[in-house]
Amino acid sequence: AQKITQTQPGMFVQEKEAVTLDCTYDTSDQSYGLFWYKQPSSGEMIFLIYQGSYDEQNATEGRYSLNFQKARKSANLVISASQLGDSAMYFCAMREDYYGNNRLAFGKGNQVVVIP
Amino acid sequence: ETGVTQSPTHLIKTRGQQVTLRCSSQSGHNTVSWYQQALGQGPQFIFQYYREEENGRGNFPPRFSGLQFPNYSSELNVNALELDDSALYLCASSSPSSEQETQYFGPGTRLLVL
Repeated sequence: AQKITQTQPGMFVQEKEAVTLDCTYDTSDQSYGLFWYKQPSSGEMIFLIYQGSYDEQNATEGRYSLNFQKARKSANLVISASQLGDSAMYFCAMREDYYGNNRLAFGKGNQVVVIP
Repeated sequence: ETGVTQSPTHLIKTRGQQVTLRCSSQSGHNTVSWYQQALGQGPQFIFQYYREEENGRGNFPPRFSGLQFPNYSSELNVNALELDDSALYLCASSSPSSEQETQYFGPGTRLLVL
């Protein structure tokens, strides 16, 4: 079963506008971590932000923030003040925290194109 | 830049051949994970190495194998290549001692199997 669901089609966003990328996840574990990565056309996966399942505050890192709604099992990424360099694929990933596990399960990604 | 390096950057092989991909982890990281990313998909976990031992494996056949060396660098070997093995192969390093255990990725190796 798919653990991470990202279903939005490709998105066009105006420069300087905010964009929200949706991510829902499926787990029966109480302890887990959620990650967002950015993948430009070059291919490298760039870590953006992390949210732990027990974190009470939504994570923020510069222009990135995570809207974590645990009961809905959603972890949406918000990018504020979009820049042209934000054009990329964005992947949501989850790590379930059982002993000996550090594997990430990724969604299929969201394509974002920032237009001037 | 994460400090994770991979080689080669691109590779073309023919069906049935064998390939070895290499990864150097970030300084201070003793765990390396390998992922396969097919075109238009998210990365799929292949396996992970921690202190030179395999520490978890995804749904990949045994012809995908790996090694980790004392300096924590790692190799991914794929035998009897198939056309479907064409993908971007990503390695990521991490440290279990860090709170988040964030995985930091290298630039990837693009493999094309003809």
